[in-house]
Amino acid sequence: EADIYQTPRYLVIGTGKKITLECSQTMGHDKMYWYQQDPGMELHLIHYSYGVNSTEKGDLSSESTVSRIRTEHFPLTLESARPSHTSQYLCASSEWGRTSQTQYFGPGTRLTVL
Amino acid sequence: GNSVTQMEGPVTLSEEAFLTINCTYTATGYPSLFWYVQYPGEGLQLLLKATKADDKGSNKGFEATYRKETTSFHLEKGSVQVSDSAVYFCALIQNYGGSQGNLIFGKGTKLSVKP
Repeated sequence: EADIYQTPRYLVIGTGKKITLECSQTMGHDKMYWYQQDPGMELHLIHYSYGVNSTEKGDLSSESTVSRIRTEHFPLTLESARPSHTSQYLCASSEWGRTSQTQYFGPGTRLTVL
Repeated sequence: GNSVTQMEGPVTLSEEAFLTINCTYTATGYPSLFWYVQYPGEGLQLLLKATKADDKGSNKGFEATYRKETTSFHLEKGSVQVSDSAVYFCALIQNYGGSQGNLIFGKGTKLSVKP
């Protein structure tokens, strides 16, 4: 059973608001990820982290930012939300150092920006 | 660079039908290969994986064999159930460069099983 949590599950906000999507894991994993999933289901890696104080940009350019101050916590922030940010956001984590490591996913946050 | 191509959906089957979802990959070396499943309203979960050529991953009646000669990892199930309705993602793990260890996903295949 994967222990990775995301809050909120659903969020509807107005344009220009600042939002933070929370992601926490209790498995002690070093590596964490954020994916954006478009309505066509395709997954795009937008951020990842190798551990505390490490953040890297993923394959898809994103206006969001992330931080990693604690191993278990990897929040994603949008300073000024726009309708183009409407999407499903998935957080994941894995062990680091093995090339066959499984990624464990949270349930996702569905964001709608009006 | 590395990439994954899987058959486009949606795929609609009757209960107890045979399922095949094709997946082929392009990669440097021999990366580990994965199938993930996403049930409605949920995140992804690992369905099965294979770490080297000729390995067969299996779980919940699903199987996939790592075929190096055809660079394929097709997902099969002999008799699908309504509860198998979900989106299935084929993936490989990036095994070189700055993003080593990251997954590369196919675009996903939506499966609907009718009773």
